[in-house]
This record gives sequence, C-alpha cells and structure tokens, in this order.
Amino acid sequence: DAGVTQSPTHLIKTRGQQVTLRCSPKSGHDTVSWYQQALGQGPQFIFQYYEEEERQRGNFPDRFSGHQFPNYSSELNVNALLLGDSALYLCASSLTGVLNIQYFGAGTRLSVL
Amino acid sequence: DQQVKQNSPSLSVQEGRISILNCDYTNSMFDYFLWYKKYPAEGPTFLISISSIKDKNEDGRFTVFLNKSAKHLSLHIVPSQPGDSAVYFCAALSNFGNEKLTFGTGTRLTIIP
Repeated sequence: DAGVTQSPTHLIKTRGQQVTLRCSPKSGHDTVSWYQQALGQGPQFIFQYYEEEERQRGNFPDRFSGHQFPNYSSELNVNALLLGDSALYLCASSLTGVLNIQYFGAGTRLSVL
Repeated sequence: DQQVKQNSPSLSVQEGRISILNCDYTNSMFDYFLWYKKYPAEGPTFLISISSIKDKNEDGRFTVFLNKSAKHLSLHIVPSQPGDSAVYFCAALSNFGNEKLTFGTGTRLTIIP
C-alpha cells in the first residue's frame, strides 16, 4: 500500500520564479493538506483541499495556491518566489469523516537563491 | 503567536531509561492532540494521540498524558531504544475533525547506548 508520495524531492529556484510541487495521497484518502517547515521550526499549515476545493487556509499570502484533482492528488503552486520561501514542503493526506490522523510524505526541499 | 510550545529543543536519555517529552498549549479550543516522530529526510510519522476527554493513552512503550487544567501534555517512552532517536513534534487540532494541525517546534531526542 503506497503511502503519501511527493515530487520532486529537491528543487532549486531563483527569486521571482514560480514552482509547482506535487502530491499523491495515501490510497483511500480524499483530503490533502500542505505544510511549510522552515529550518528549526514545526510544520506550518498552508491550506487543505477536499472535493477539489480549498477547505481551509492558513496565514499564507495569495502567492501560494493549490489544486486538487479528481483522483485526489494535489499540487502546490508558489509564484514570485522569495528567499524566505526556502523550506521543506510537506503534504499530508487523511480521510474526511474519520479521526483526523494525517499521514505525511517525505517532503520537497525547496531552495530559493 | 505560538499556540503549541515545546520548550526543550533537545533531550538526551540513556538506553533503557524513560524519555519524557513535554508540550504546552494555549488555545483552549484544542480537543485532540497528536505526537509525530520525524527522522531526517523523512516526513513526520504518526506515533500516538489523545482526546481531551481522556487523561492517558497507552500504546506499547509509548504513553501520552494530558493535563487539561494545566494545558500540558507529555509523551513517555519506556524503555528508550536507540531507534527512538528522532525529532518529536507535538500537534493539536480543534473540533475533532479534519482541521489543520498546529505543531510545536519539536524536541530532538537522542538515546545514548
């Protein structure tokens, strides 16, 4: 049973560029959440997708956007990259209506130069 | 505004002894708490959880204690094993549903053989 998979594992971009990160949820899960983990910090909630719509959003600017596809996979897009966007981006999946244990992927390490 | 706090960045414990990791929270709306373990280059892995209607939950070597009046929870690992060396994150959510997880900053546990 495949767990949560994320791609790519590492990415290097320059300021002002745009980036797209991808996530496939654990089999049977329908909800995807994205988190940003800066060095030495805990993961910070970006947003959550369910039924192809953004259900909740954390305190992140509109430069951060996302999408969920009919097969429940998801993308995170970040526009106009800033140096401060350098972080580990984690995707987590869960099943709506069930105890909310979120299962995490290994993350995408984004470096903005 | 750090709603979930882990005040000990690191902890070292002898193999076979008890490891106690602490977590404090400020938001009284939190009603479900989780502990995650994270190894380098991997995503956080769910370890154990507790609902606010309980004060203790046990799973093998891991026990979580919740003191609602003090807004404090702790994770006990007995006996500690070398494989337990990792970063441990405390997380909380409200409404016992598919809400966002609010994480602490983590405690790095090192088990000394």
